[in-house]
Amino acid sequence: EPEVTQTPSHQVTQMGQEVILRCVPISNHLYFYWYRQILGQKVEFLVSFYNNEISEKSEIFDDQFSVERPDGSNFTLKIRSTKLEDSAMYFCASSGWGARTYEQYFGPGTRLTVT
Amino acid sequence: AQSVTQLGSHVSVSEGALVLLRCNYSSSVPPYLFWYVQYPNQGLQLLLKYTTGATLVKGINGFEAEFKKSETSFHLTKPSAHMSDAAEYFCAVIPRRRSNRLAFGKGNQVVVIP
Repeated sequence: EPEVTQTPSHQVTQMGQEVILRCVPISNHLYFYWYRQILGQKVEFLVSFYNNEISEKSEIFDDQFSVERPDGSNFTLKIRSTKLEDSAMYFCASSGWGARTYEQYFGPGTRLTVT
Repeated sequence: AQSVTQLGSHVSVSEGALVLLRCNYSSSVPPYLFWYVQYPNQGLQLLLKYTTGATLVKGINGFEAEFKKSETSFHLTKPSAHMSDAAEYFCAVIPRRRSNRLAFGKGNQVVVIP
């Protein structure tokens, strides 16, 4: 069964450093998403991406964040200058078209620790 | 703002007993509704969803949920708990028709007692 994959599973970085989290969505999906979950809090939406552009973003997704689909398979989330409060589990998701647009398939997550 | 309420972070249930996880949402327009499950070290897996049509929806692993508009609820049930049901369960909504943004509840950690 096709699945969303994410690398790395765990990333440790120092405050102020740039990090790139990588995702490979399901191959025939058209919509791509990033969510995050800070320890003990709800899973929060960050951004959705369709047709090579951001379709929706939350108030969390400020200028520090960017997303890119550099080729036909990868979908990345970049944090330019990490802060302690960026420490969280980051989930990538993808969904198909038509009635399947609302069925989001999630990857296993990348745990980002900012020290 | 759209909110999703799941009461009780940890839920203990005996093997073979009914599993009931409650979810309430706040919205003036009925949203699309979802339940996801997360097993240890895995991603969120879609259990079931309600978008339109029959208000009682069946999902994987014997789970079902019923959309009750008058109660703004979408409670998840399973008649008989198995040990393999131990996981975290998240209720989520898409509050607007032109959005794919999922809004999640805090989740319920289900513990199954042998």
